[in-house]
Amino acid sequence: EAQVTQNPRYLITVTGKKLTVTCSQNMNHEYMSWYRQDPGLGLRQIYYSMNVEVTDKGDVPEGYKVSRKEKRNFPLILESPSPNQTSLYFCASSPLSRQGYGELFFGEGSRLTVL
Amino acid sequence: AQSVTQPDIHITVSEGASLELRCNYSYGATPYLFWYVQSPGQGLQLLLKYFSGDTLVQGIKGFEAEFKRSQSSFNLRKPSVHWSDAAEYFCAVGAYNNDMRFGAGTRLTVKP
Repeated sequence: EAQVTQNPRYLITVTGKKLTVTCSQNMNHEYMSWYRQDPGLGLRQIYYSMNVEVTDKGDVPEGYKVSRKEKRNFPLILESPSPNQTSLYFCASSPLSRQGYGELFFGEGSRLTVL
Repeated sequence: AQSVTQPDIHITVSEGASLELRCNYSYGATPYLFWYVQSPGQGLQLLLKYFSGDTLVQGIKGFEAEFKRSQSSFNLRKPSVHWSDAAEYFCAVGAYNNDMRFGAGTRLTVKP
C-alpha cells in the first residue's frame, strides 16, 4: 500500500531533550516536506526537500533540522525542544512533474507536547 | 509569495443540503490549486486539484470546485452533504518547487 509513515504518532517530552520524528514513504517520490499544524493557522511548512541531499527552509524552520540521506526517509530533528514547538506535525511527499509541482500525500501526523 | 484565505472558520449545514466552501488566493502567476480534507485524527487527503484546462474540476466523494481567475477564487461545492463529510477542509495554492501554502481551514459540521 502506498503510504507515508510517521513515528511516533504521539510524544510527550520535556524542554531540551532532543527528539527525532521519522518519516518514510514508499512511493519513490522526489519531494518531501514537513508541516506543523496549529489552530487557526492552517499548515505551515518547516522544511522541504526536492531530492536526496537537497533540503531547504520553509516558513518556520527555527528550532528544527532535517536530513535527506535516502530518497524514502526525511526525519525531523528537534535538537532542544521548547514548549512553543508543541504542535501537530505532518510529513508529506509528492511526485514532481516536469513543471516542478504535484499533489501532496500526507502521513497521519505526530502530536508532540513539550513540557 | 502566494497566499490563501478561507473566510469561513466554521460552517454548519444540514444533511442533504448543498455546500459551498470559499477559497481566495493571491498569486502573480497561474496557480496550482488544491482542496484537502482532514477527518479527526487523520492526515490530509486530496479532494481535487486544478493545474490547467477546464475550470470546473471534479473530485472524490462527489465534490467539485470551480476556478475563477477574475475573482481569484477556487470554491468547493457539493450538492448534497452527508454526515460523513463532517471534517476540516483546507484550500492550498502551489507554485514552482512545490511551494504549497495552505489556508487556515474551514471546519464543517453536519446537522442530522
